[in-house]
Amino acid sequence: EVQLVESGGGLVQPGGSLRLSCVVSGFIFSDHYMGWVRQAPGKGLEWVGRSRNKDNSYFTEYAAPVKGRFVISRDDSKNSLYLQMNSLKTEDTAVYFCARAGTGLGATYFDSWGQGTLVTVSS
Amino acid sequence: EIVLTQSPGILSLSPGERATLSCRASQSFSNSYLAWYQHKPGQAPRLLIYGASSRATGIPDRFSGSGSGTDFTLTISRLEPEDFAVYYCQQYGNSPLAFGGGTNVEIK
Repeated sequence: EVQLVESGGGLVQPGGSLRLSCVVSGFIFSDHYMGWVRQAPGKGLEWVGRSRNKDNSYFTEYAAPVKGRFVISRDDSKNSLYLQMNSLKTEDTAVYFCARAGTGLGATYFDSWGQGTLVTVSS
Repeated sequence: EIVLTQSPGILSLSPGERATLSCRASQSFSNSYLAWYQHKPGQAPRLLIYGASSRATGIPDRFSGSGSGTDFTLTISRLEPEDFAVYYCQQYGNSPLAFGGGTNVEIK
């Protein structure tokens, strides 16, 4: 069974940093693209960024609102995906979902999701 | 950057009725790389459709997707009580990826 479990959310002040983790099981992690998606309170889903798979050198891509502030990394030995969030703003307040995508560019829709972790940026 | 516009924002229907949701893209993108998701409060989103018209594993056949180019549609042939939720389209053919703003299918 495919499972994704996020952790690391919490309350942080504007300008602060936070690192989210996503531990996965039930599939070969290194084969898959992985992504982060967020949902601000009362808003829709927003793509944050993704990491391509091992065959694509783990290339990372980001949405404009987080580019230069957020960094996605992964540790295949720990079946873990990370989201390092720096220079946090109040508008980054959201539930952050970790999601699994396919194994190639033609299949990068998200077919499995975690339950999400809440990040609140407030003074 | 591709922008996806979903309509209507809210769709009020009764169980057993047909739901038709629209997703329009600001420009064409690769190979109809368009997905649809269902999202209920407090739950993980659920993949329904990928490649514009292919049903994901375990998705009932009352859900169907169609369209190409810039215009896509999700149809729920007969609404079941568990289908009332928010639905999002997403394009994954061009970076940055993008979601539409969502359609809330609510009970009338």
